[in-house]
Amino acid sequence: GAGVSQSPSNKVTEKGKDVELRCDPISGHTALYWYRQSLGQGLEFLIYFQGNSAPDKSGLPSDRFSAERTGGSVSTLTIQRTQQEDSAVYLCASSTGQRNNEQFFGPGTRLTVL
Amino acid sequence: AQSVTQLGSHVSVSEGALVLLRCNYSSSVPPYLFWYVQYPNQGLQLLLKYTTGATLVKGINGFEAEFKKSETSFHLTKPSAHMSDAAEYFCAVSGANQGGKLIFGQGTELSVKP
Repeated sequence: GAGVSQSPSNKVTEKGKDVELRCDPISGHTALYWYRQSLGQGLEFLIYFQGNSAPDKSGLPSDRFSAERTGGSVSTLTIQRTQQEDSAVYLCASSTGQRNNEQFFGPGTRLTVL
Repeated sequence: AQSVTQLGSHVSVSEGALVLLRCNYSSSVPPYLFWYVQYPNQGLQLLLKYTTGATLVKGINGFEAEFKKSETSFHLTKPSAHMSDAAEYFCAVSGANQGGKLIFGQGTELSVKP
């Protein structure tokens, strides 16, 4: 079956603009995770969804970052007033939600803020 | 709080030689441990995981890892390196009742020389 998909694959934006990144998890996966991969910081957890609720938002770096999930499926990560330090690859992963089941990762969205 | 330390940001081995990638963790709760591999321009793929039970875990592509609680380690090994093993490897930890979010190490880039 289809894996986790993310769009766009690449996004170039100007400093100060808002961006939306989309994640389509594997069908039936109740848990969804966002991570960020950057040269300076490695792989960082951002936020976790179980269904449509986000019990753990502890990794969101500032209030410019927000995320939502609708219908227990698609998730959108929004970054407002982008800054150059937001440049990174944003990875989405999903799992069945059973404790410590394997997370399946998407290919990521490469965000470049000029 | 949890953290992961991977010793060596870059490891180089000859084809056919032993691969040893080191990972030490810190966790205030019983840890679940993972190794992921990332090939160039691709997403993360699970190699193996330890949750409970047998401390020697076998994964895909001939890799294995041993959980050593006394040493807080989860080193990844492969008896004989292949050119196709060249990639970046990430060790990660999660804890019970934490929603499954992964805390990653900084990654180790493995090069395989012919």
